Amino acid sequence: EAQVTQNPRYLITVTGKKLTVTCSQNMNHEYMSWYRQDPGLGLRQIYYSMNVEVTDKGDVPEGYKVSRKEKRNFPLILESPSPNQTSLYFCASSLYNGGKKNEQFFGPGTRLTVL
Amino acid sequence: AQSVTQPDIHITVSEGASLELRCNYSYGATPYLFWYVQSPGQGLQLLLKYFSGDTLVQGIKGFEAEFKRSQSSFNLRKPSVHWSDAAEYFCAVGNNAGNMLTFGGGTRLMVNP
Repeated sequence: EAQVTQNPRYLITVTGKKLTVTCSQNMNHEYMSWYRQDPGLGLRQIYYSMNVEVTDKGDVPEGYKVSRKEKRNFPLILESPSPNQTSLYFCASSLYNGGKKNEQFFGPGTRLTVL
Repeated sequence: AQSVTQPDIHITVSEGASLELRCNYSYGATPYLFWYVQSPGQGLQLLLKYFSGDTLVQGIKGFEAEFKRSQSSFNLRKPSVHWSDAAEYFCAVGNNAGNMLTFGGGTRLMVNP
């Protein structure tokens, strides 16, 4: 089954404790992206990647890191989480072929609480 | 910079009634437009998309949307709402480079029996 998976689905942590949220897709998509969802703000893009070893900032990158060492994986790293990073996080992927916009497929979400 | 506005935060309709969810976008070129639905506790599912061509777009679950360039709008419609349509709906605009997708704040739909 074609899908985007995220782990963990739920995480409660404390301020300053490094954490990684994994994202994996099995559709051989070039493009992957991370979003955070907050009430009334919709989804805001954190980082995206156009292909392996190619990443770039979205609208709200502060406090986050990403890497793209393999095509299927795009982990989100919070080096020193703070309470304002408490949110619902979504990973997404899509084909990317020379600028044509394609549908993004979303993972199930990771609910993160930072105390 | 591109942006999306969904003016209605909450909408309540009766089952069987018609529905229209509003979406206004700002983008300097021809936009790529999407409507996604998020059921409680779920991820986002694509309802429909507009890239070019016919301005009336049909989607899944009986939804349709109309692109109106003169009004910078991409409103979502359904002629008869079902209780299972209760969810949050997001409009989004993508840029031509295909690397940025900007979402509106969402509209939460409630359906009365």
